[in-house]
Amino acid sequence: GQNIDQPTEMTATEGAIVQINCTYQTSGFNGLFWYQQHAGEAPTFLSYNVLDGLEEKGRFSSFLSRSKGYSYLLLKELQMKDSASYLCAALDSNYQLIWGAGTKLIIKP
Amino acid sequence: DTAVSQTPKYLVTQMGNDKSIKCEQNLGHDTMYWYKQDSKKFLKIMFSYNNKELIINETVPNRFSPKSPDKAHLNLHINSLELGDSAVYFCASSPMGETHISTDTQYFGPGTRLTVL
Repeated sequence: GQNIDQPTEMTATEGAIVQINCTYQTSGFNGLFWYQQHAGEAPTFLSYNVLDGLEEKGRFSSFLSRSKGYSYLLLKELQMKDSASYLCAALDSNYQLIWGAGTKLIIKP
Repeated sequence: DTAVSQTPKYLVTQMGNDKSIKCEQNLGHDTMYWYKQDSKKFLKIMFSYNNKELIINETVPNRFSPKSPDKAHLNLHINSLELGDSAVYFCASSPMGETHISTDTQYFGPGTRLTVL
């Protein structure tokens, strides 16, 4: 079956760095997305990786290893507003997005 | 300017009723989607649709039906509502890709919280 695994919850300190991991098993693979979702709001796009390696975008970076079925989202210089759920989603061979349940990130002062 | 909008934002109704949720996008995108997010926060795709093809997730009951009056709208009709239909429903859109389902970024609407009593 198809499956996305990511931690349920993580806690980090303001100003620090946090890495949210995601492993995926899908029927074929056409890329991996990370979305941010604040409580009660819609998901918003953060990143898309289809090639191996690290993509940096400001304070956020996303890494992909296709051979390992693994991705991570790296958040630097954490701010209180980064408290949210971070959703990992993989695009399968039918171009269907398979979603993880999300990682709730709690930022403490 | 709102890119993807949904109405209503909240919907409370009795079991057995029929209801609709409207979705509109002003991005000029060709593909639109409906997702259901349950209490465990799993996002489950229900439908994807462009002007050529409707793709239905086979696990979605046939009580749910999408209706697209034009490219900018994809409404969701739900018949005979059940308690288990309570969830947040998100509409999304994306530009058309090489296939009928785009690999591009999906833009989500604000969501409709449906509560069935």
